[in-house]
Amino acid sequence: DARVTQTPRHKVTEMGQEVTMRCQPILGHNTVFWYRQTMMQGLELLAYFRNRAPLDDSGMPKDRFSAEMPDATLATLKIQPSEPRDSAVYFCASGPEGGQPQHFGDGTRLSIL
Amino acid sequence: QKEVEQNSGPLSVPEGAIASLNCTYSDRVSQSFFWYRQYSGKSPELIMSIYSNGDKEDGRFTAQLNKASQYVSLLIRDSQPSDSATYLCAVNSISGGYNKLIFGAGTRLAVHP
Repeated sequence: DARVTQTPRHKVTEMGQEVTMRCQPILGHNTVFWYRQTMMQGLELLAYFRNRAPLDDSGMPKDRFSAEMPDATLATLKIQPSEPRDSAVYFCASGPEGGQPQHFGDGTRLSIL
Repeated sequence: QKEVEQNSGPLSVPEGAIASLNCTYSDRVSQSFFWYRQYSGKSPELIMSIYSNGDKEDGRFTAQLNKASQYVSLLIRDSQPSDSATYLCAVNSISGGYNKLIFGAGTRLAVHP
């Protein structure tokens, strides 16, 4: 059963530390999405890649967040320096050409102390 | 601002009843509509997609779409306690020449025995 794989599943770290989250999209999917979910804001789109090229990262705080796809099997989302307000669940999703339907990974639950 | 609106709930229904979940959207050119189910602490799981006006049935689930009214709904027949979850409505939106999904805040469904 094809799945989006995210690591780590949980991360607790102190404010100011660098956080790197990884995502392996479903084989054959060429669109990758990063979302952040909080109780207050719901699901927010942070970044969108197609064929490894970033199409939209307008949802990301540019000063501290960065997203990359070094190859077709790996997408990364980095936060440096991290802040307590970054505490949330970060989901990666992948989709076929056209972007839909999207399938989600299990998420990374991030806590910044 | 292109939006997707859902009643946050909770929607409480007795076991065996029909649960009706509703969603309205603002972007008239949207063409693809999805329902995701999210259990507490888990990731969103795609359960239905619908692209044309009318009804689409899959097991106990029926999605209904009315593009003229900008309205999409999900009916769950013979509701079970295991259906208790948050249901997210997602609608495609074309922005900047590419496709992305706009998610509603979700409706929490509680099915009681």
